[in-house]
Amino acid sequence: DTAVSQTPKYLVTQMGNDKSIKCEQNLGHDTMYWYKQDSKKFLKIMFSYNNKELIINETVPNRFSPKSPDKAHLNLHINSLELGDSAVYFCASSVRGGFYGYTFGSGTRLTVV
Amino acid sequence: QKEVEQDPGPLSVPEGAIVSLNCTYSNSAFQYFMWYRQYSRKGPELLMYTYSSGNKEDGRFTAQVDKSSKYISLFIRDSQPSDSATYLCAMSEDDMRFGAGTRLTVKP
Repeated sequence: DTAVSQTPKYLVTQMGNDKSIKCEQNLGHDTMYWYKQDSKKFLKIMFSYNNKELIINETVPNRFSPKSPDKAHLNLHINSLELGDSAVYFCASSVRGGFYGYTFGSGTRLTVV
Repeated sequence: QKEVEQDPGPLSVPEGAIVSLNCTYSNSAFQYFMWYRQYSRKGPELLMYTYSSGNKEDGRFTAQVDKSSKYISLFIRDSQPSDSATYLCAMSEDDMRFGAGTRLTVKP
């Protein structure tokens, strides 16, 4: 049983397109996150949702819009994709506060051409 | 200055060596300290978790936190080729901040 699952694993798309990445967790966690990992492996928080409510929204272009239909799902929609959006996007979940660490998905490798 | 500083390496050691990985940080409010291991093309997985200062041991891995120096370490004893991965330190008070990750290669 996969704890945090993301789809798709790979996404290759043209500039200007709109795409979505889905994430689901079956751990019963209250909090879910989206992270962006660049080519140098640096993990940067994008969004955090606690029980469907947005609690962190770092400086991210408004082309990125998270949606949490319930506390087990956090999807990421990206409008008007740009070359600089190419990265690996990780979904993660944790108990409230994240004090005991996060469980990450296996990532979605997005390539914008 | 970044909140969390970690030397990206790469670090290459022979099998059986003791590996020392380190991070420094600037935010004295951090209370929870973690190490994640990330294999190539995989998500980070939690390796060690420590609250406040002190040591924690789990098999071949030892995590140390020195809050007075704002310095954390991960030691790997008897390193194995399967330990080859990127190791990321992380710390939190309200939300998690990650280091840049150190890429480790253990050569047979």
